[in-house]
Amino acid sequence: TQLLEQSPQFLSIQEGENLTVYCNSSSVFSSLQWYRQEPGEGPVLLVTVVTGGEVKKLKRLTFQFGDARKDSSLHITAAQPGDTGLYLCAGAGGSARQLTFGSGTQLTVLP
Amino acid sequence: NAGVMQNPRHLVRRRGQEARLRCSPMKGHSHVYWYRQLPEEGLKFMVYLQKENIIDESGMPKERFSAEFPKEGPSILRIQQVVRGDSAAYFCASSSDTRSYEQYFGPGTRLTVT
Repeated sequence: TQLLEQSPQFLSIQEGENLTVYCNSSSVFSSLQWYRQEPGEGPVLLVTVVTGGEVKKLKRLTFQFGDARKDSSLHITAAQPGDTGLYLCAGAGGSARQLTFGSGTQLTVLP
Repeated sequence: NAGVMQNPRHLVRRRGQEARLRCSPMKGHSHVYWYRQLPEEGLKFMVYLQKENIIDESGMPKERFSAEFPKEGPSILRIQQVVRGDSAAYFCASSSDTRSYEQYFGPGTRLTVT
């Protein structure tokens, strides 16, 4: 059974600060996705990483896939209140299409 | 709206009734996945379907739950004789053939069993 552990579980920071969210596993994933979920809504896909060591940037968000494809991180620069939400990492392993989700990081950015 | 559609958004059922949840995948997508999010828990995979075929149902409870994706029409997740423990948010996702690892989620159906 593949497991993804996210940390921290909760994060409350002031506007303008930087933060990093981690997603770790002992399993290798063929791809890893980061989603953001608002209350009462479905997860919205932010990025997909598939190559070990890959780095992708989306405005103030930087996503990295570990060299061994077992871990990933999400770094937000100069956080804004609009970044508030639940951030989820999800991985797909081998030929399986099902996604294994992390438990999520609830981010609150205070103005 | 070219996104994944789910209906109803909210569904209330009494214990013992049946619940039917519908999902229309994104245009051009032929792969459908159902996930369940229990209160205070993460998203868990239930079943993966392509048109007229169940590919992987390893996450589906063995009893009372079934899913289909007919040739025409939406995918249906059916829960028979619902119990209070079935109360959860049920999400549908879809993906294309070429980028199967990118799953796009619908807004979910919140099922409440009273």
